[in-house]
Amino acid sequence: GAVVSQHPSWVICKSGTSVKIECRSLDFQATTMFWYRQFPKQSLMLMATSNEGSKATYEQGVEKDKFLINHASLTLSTLTVTSAHPEDSSFYICSARVPQGIYEQYFGPGTRLTVT
Amino acid sequence: RKEVEQDPGPFNVPEGATVAFNCTYSNSASQSFFWYRQDCRKEPKLLMSVYSSGNEDGRFTAQLNRASQYISLLIRDSKLSDSATYLCVVIPGNTPLVFGKGTRLSVIA
Repeated sequence: GAVVSQHPSWVICKSGTSVKIECRSLDFQATTMFWYRQFPKQSLMLMATSNEGSKATYEQGVEKDKFLINHASLTLSTLTVTSAHPEDSSFYICSARVPQGIYEQYFGPGTRLTVT
Repeated sequence: RKEVEQDPGPFNVPEGATVAFNCTYSNSASQSFFWYRQDCRKEPKLLMSVYSSGNEDGRFTAQLNRASQYISLLIRDSKLSDSATYLCVVIPGNTPLVFGKGTRLSVIA
């Protein structure tokens, strides 16, 4: 399958700081990437859809000014958690959609964020 | 009705057993269907796509029933390494994946 990388794999930060997470499709160009969040023992929750060259589409209840998404190229999307708080601690996972066929999606390995 | 529904389990089965999961979806216009596998504290990984004609990959068989709007996953000869959460995933159109909450499988020695 296709390969999606994510960096960093884990991060610990202090409350009030910002954290940037990168998501890259390594062997294909992804016009659309997705950002998910998963709390322990919960299902994946879609946060936003990231479109190359245009603004991201946020799901209801997700603050766009807090979770900044930039899809600068066909292989890179970034999520910045601004002014992080302990309740933002979670597992953040990106995915990229193969742009043809039946639209398979491949996931990055995730970023575990802990805000102290 | 939720978009995608799965029995959360857990399903506890002995090694070598055959186990089947079902998943129902509400949007009859859904075009693509997948099973993903997620291990604890890891990202979901694509297990197999589900085609209208059904498909098989080794010990795994996936079926789609459009009339009843469900998909199934059959695992034969279960291995300890099959223990994971299995996510049913549906694409209603050219939109993001819709995930079920997952079915947890534990294969016991």
